[in-house]
Parts: sequence; C-alpha cells; structure tokens
Amino acid sequence: KAGVTQTPRYLIKTRGQQVTLSCSPISGHRSVSWYQQTPGQGLQFLFEYFSETQRNKGNFPGRFSGRQFSNSRSEMNVSTLELGDSALYLCASSLVVRGRYEQYFGPGTRLTVT
Amino acid sequence: GQNIDQPTEMTATEGAIVQINCTYQTSGFNGLFWYQQHAGEAPTFLSYNVLDGLEEKGRFSSFLSRSKGYSYLLLKELQMKDSASYLCAVRSYNNAGNMLTFGGGTRLMVKP
Repeated sequence: KAGVTQTPRYLIKTRGQQVTLSCSPISGHRSVSWYQQTPGQGLQFLFEYFSETQRNKGNFPGRFSGRQFSNSRSEMNVSTLELGDSALYLCASSLVVRGRYEQYFGPGTRLTVT
Repeated sequence: GQNIDQPTEMTATEGAIVQINCTYQTSGFNGLFWYQQHAGEAPTFLSYNVLDGLEEKGRFSSFLSRSKGYSYLLLKELQMKDSASYLCAVRSYNNAGNMLTFGGGTRLMVKP
C-alpha cells in the first residue's frame, strides 16, 4: 500500500506570493491533517479534514487555509507569504483500526520564502 | 491549553537501553503518540497509547500513566541508526474535534 504523498517536495517563493501544497493520503484513510515544522516552534498543528469537512484548526492566521476533495486528497494554501512561513509542511493521514488511532506522515514540502 | 515536556537532548551508548520521558497537561486526553524523526525527514510512527500500561513492539516500548500525565519511550539494544529526534505528541479532544500537540522533541545521540 502506498504511503502518504506530498507535492511538490521543495518550493521557493517570494514574499507576497501565494502557494498551494498537495497531499494524497494512504488509500482508505479519510482523515488528513496538516502541520508546520520550524526549528524554533517545532511541529504545530494547522488543521484537520475528514470527509471534505474541516474538523479542527490550529492557531494560525487566516492566510492559511485548506480543503479536502471527495477522493480524500487535500490541499493547503498560504496567501501573502511572509519570510516566517518558511518551514517544512507535513501532511498526515489517519485511520481508526479496531479502536486504535494510527497516523502516518508524508515526506513533507519544504517551503522557502525569500 | 496543552503543555508537553520532554528532555531536549540525551546521549547513550550503542547496545544500551535508554528511556525518554514525556510529561503532559491537557484536557480531553485522547491518546499519546511517539514518533521518530531523522534529520531532514518526516516523522515516523512508533507507538500509540490510549490506555495505561506498557506497549511493546520489538526493541521499542511505550508506557502511559494517564493519572500522572506521564509517558516514556524505552529503546533497547541501541543501534547507531537510532540517533534521531523522538517526538511525544498528545491527542486531545475539544468542541471542534481532535488535535495533536507535539512536544519539542528529544534529540538522542547514540555513541559507539
């Protein structure tokens, strides 16, 4: 079974631009979560989607948004990029198996804002 | 809010046993994860505890005490490839749903 895939793997943007990142979860997983990882702040939760609905949102400004499609693939968008948005963006898909919650991360998209 | 504490760095010797502790304060506790992350790579799922007790999986074991807000990850027969960051993460439930909060990670260095 293929793992979580994310595209692109690397991205360089300039301040003020916007960016869209894509995530395809493991087949059969309907829940997708997004995280931002920086050296200073560590791993921080952005949002979670399940069946095309946002279930929870972390403490990030409205410039960060996302959506999920009917095939469970998800995208996140960051508008008006700032230098501080440079980070590794991780997507994770999850599933409850016999009452146990399992979550697996994709390889991430490394975004550099210049 | 959530608060998760784990040591920043630990050093251990190849072949030895190391225990990485994690303490947390949260409302709506709904499980605790341990992840391994090598530099420049994504986190890899190691374990998930939702009930008290010890879960063993090969060289790795994870323990949870919900009443104490405490967990540990035990690594046996350490290998050089175990040098990585180990992330403790707490899943909690609020009115909006579940979310996962990560600790800052423990950087483990395994020496020959």
